[in-house]
Amino acid sequence: QLVLTQSPSASASLGASVKLTCTLNSGHNNYAIAWHQQQPEKGPHYLMKVNSDGSHIKGDGIPDRFSGSSSGAERYLTISSLQSEDEADYYCQTWGPGSIWVFGGGTKLSVL
Amino acid sequence: EVQLLESGGGLLQPGGSLRLSCAASGFTFSFHVMSWVRQAPGKGLEWVSGLSGTGGNTYYADSVKGRFTISRDNSKKTLYLQMNSLRVEDTAVYYCARLAAGGAGWFDSWGQGTLVTVSS
Repeated sequence: QLVLTQSPSASASLGASVKLTCTLNSGHNNYAIAWHQQQPEKGPHYLMKVNSDGSHIKGDGIPDRFSGSSSGAERYLTISSLQSEDEADYYCQTWGPGSIWVFGGGTKLSVL
Repeated sequence: EVQLLESGGGLLQPGGSLRLSCAASGFTFSFHVMSWVRQAPGKGLEWVSGLSGTGGNTYYADSVKGRFTISRDNSKKTLYLQMNSLRVEDTAVYYCARLAAGGAGWFDSWGQGTLVTVSS
């Protein structure tokens, strides 16, 4: 069974950087994931796909402040020069055999 | 510009039925696998159902299998979700989402959602 684990919350100061983590469960180290941002009262928005080698494909118009990376079973989303509008929920998502799609529980990012 | 516009949500009693629609524009609809994802109040995202570009392959989460039916009309560029035997736990905002081209597994566009409330 494919499972993604995220910390429920994170916080960082305005202008600082933050690194969010999404962890794949055992046996799925080579899976790619996607990151989605959901601002308050809005639908989700695709940020990027992150491969197991750390390469990533960003969505249209996603600022350079957002980047992705990988290490083992962990996939990361790093946001630099934090802005107030980055305060949002961030979800990782992957997919498995039989076209089953899975989401992590989400991380609520607070910008202090 | 890719746009996905959901409609059809509402308030209904347990055991009832509802059909959601998602009108797509700005891309070649038939080229993409489409999906429904829901979000219960205060909770995270949950994948519900997916459908291949031709409509020939359907996929369902265990929580809705046998109760929900996904379909599409490529001539109308519209995705549907027929929901039967609705339960209180089906209460959620339902989002239409597009899978990236070429059979890729990630969602690259989302709608704004439509709220379904199941309550007695």
